[in-house]
Amino acid sequence: AQSVTQPDIHITVSEGASLELRCNYSYGATPYLFWYVQSPGQGLQLLLKYFSGDTLVQGIKGFEAEFKRSQSSFNLRKPSVHWSDAAEYFCAVGALGGSARQLTFGSGTQLTVLP
Amino acid sequence: GAVVSQHPSRVICKSGTSVKIECRSLDFQATTMFWYRQFPKKSLMLMATSNEGSKATYEQGVEKDKFLINHASLTLSTLTVTSAHPEDSSFYICSVLQGAYEQYFGPGTRLTVT
Repeated sequence: AQSVTQPDIHITVSEGASLELRCNYSYGATPYLFWYVQSPGQGLQLLLKYFSGDTLVQGIKGFEAEFKRSQSSFNLRKPSVHWSDAAEYFCAVGALGGSARQLTFGSGTQLTVLP
Repeated sequence: GAVVSQHPSRVICKSGTSVKIECRSLDFQATTMFWYRQFPKKSLMLMATSNEGSKATYEQGVEKDKFLINHASLTLSTLTVTSAHPEDSSFYICSVLQGAYEQYFGPGTRLTVT
């Protein structure tokens, strides 16, 4: 069965600093990988996705992620964090479920941005 | 991606009553929708997969008689929490499957059972 691990429960960075959120996955086949962001009391917004091809993918809001098969990782990065980036971030892997293609989510990383 | 709405955004109901939550795909005909439950500071727990025109598929441990799902059209899925109790209080989120695995999420519904 597939699984996703986000080792960092909470990360605090200063505004303008760089950011890297870690994600490790376990899946037997080629994974479909996603990063979502959730603001308090809101649904999830898709930041970026990886299906195949170039292992460095660009997303919205200046985020990027790099797929590293050898490390089973899909870390999210941003060169300069803005205060509005404070939110919960979820990594997810797509896999076939009982009756449909499902997403398995990590436990999330809470990002705090200091002024 | 697909634009998804949920109604209501917040609902408070008394213990023992039922409440219906609507999930609408506004610009995409969704054959498959998903319902999730999220506890405070926790990840999303998949409750069920809703397929248009057929019965929903529930995840292990989710009571199908308590959480009734109806996906009557390509743009609407509903979740009815029957005989709600305080332990059913949670944040419920729906999503629409578009493409291979991409899901687009609604804004969520905060249910409080008193």
